[in-house]
Amino acid sequence: DAGVTQSPTHLIKTRGQQVTLRCSPKSGHDTVSWYQQALGQGPQFIFQYYEEEERQRGNFPDRFSGHQFPNYSSELNVNALLLGDSALYLCASNTNYVGNTEAFFGQGTRLTVV
Amino acid sequence: GQQVMQIPQYQHVQEGEDFTTYCNSSTTLSNIQWYKQRPGGHPVFLIQLVKSGEVKKQKRLTFQFGEAKKNSSLHITATQTTDVGTYFCAHEDTDKLIFGTGTRLQVFP
Repeated sequence: DAGVTQSPTHLIKTRGQQVTLRCSPKSGHDTVSWYQQALGQGPQFIFQYYEEEERQRGNFPDRFSGHQFPNYSSELNVNALLLGDSALYLCASNTNYVGNTEAFFGQGTRLTVV
Repeated sequence: GQQVMQIPQYQHVQEGEDFTTYCNSSTTLSNIQWYKQRPGGHPVFLIQLVKSGEVKKQKRLTFQFGEAKKNSSLHITATQTTDVGTYFCAHEDTDKLIFGTGTRLQVFP
């Protein structure tokens, strides 16, 4: 049973470019959340997808957008990259049952903006 | 969502010593979760506490949720080098997780 998988594992981009990160949730999970973790800090919630709709959004600008596909996989897109977007981007999945908030995290994508 | 503070920020211990990290909120929390993140790794779920005053144990780890549901603690007895990592508390806020600031544990053999 594969857990949460993310691709790519590492990425280097230039300021102003756009990036797309991908996530496949754990088998049986239908809800995908994205988090940004800057060095030395805790993960910060970006947004959550369920039934191909954005259900929740954290305090991130519109440059951050996402998508969920019918097979529950998800993408995170970031436009007009800034140096401050350099971070570990984590995808977490779980099931949409009341009270079931245990999140299974992928290994993350380390994004470096130069 | 409300910020959750953790103390200490760093802790260095000798192998075999005990370790405790505390998580504090200014408001009542519906639940508290604990995660461990190894260096270079990703957060891994350890446990969830829901009830006021709840105490749960996992081998050498003891988790506690305060009576007022505003604080929580994680205690590790007789640390081992495998306990190295950053420990985060997190709480659920309308289906999203709000993470604490984390406590980084270093264990010297």
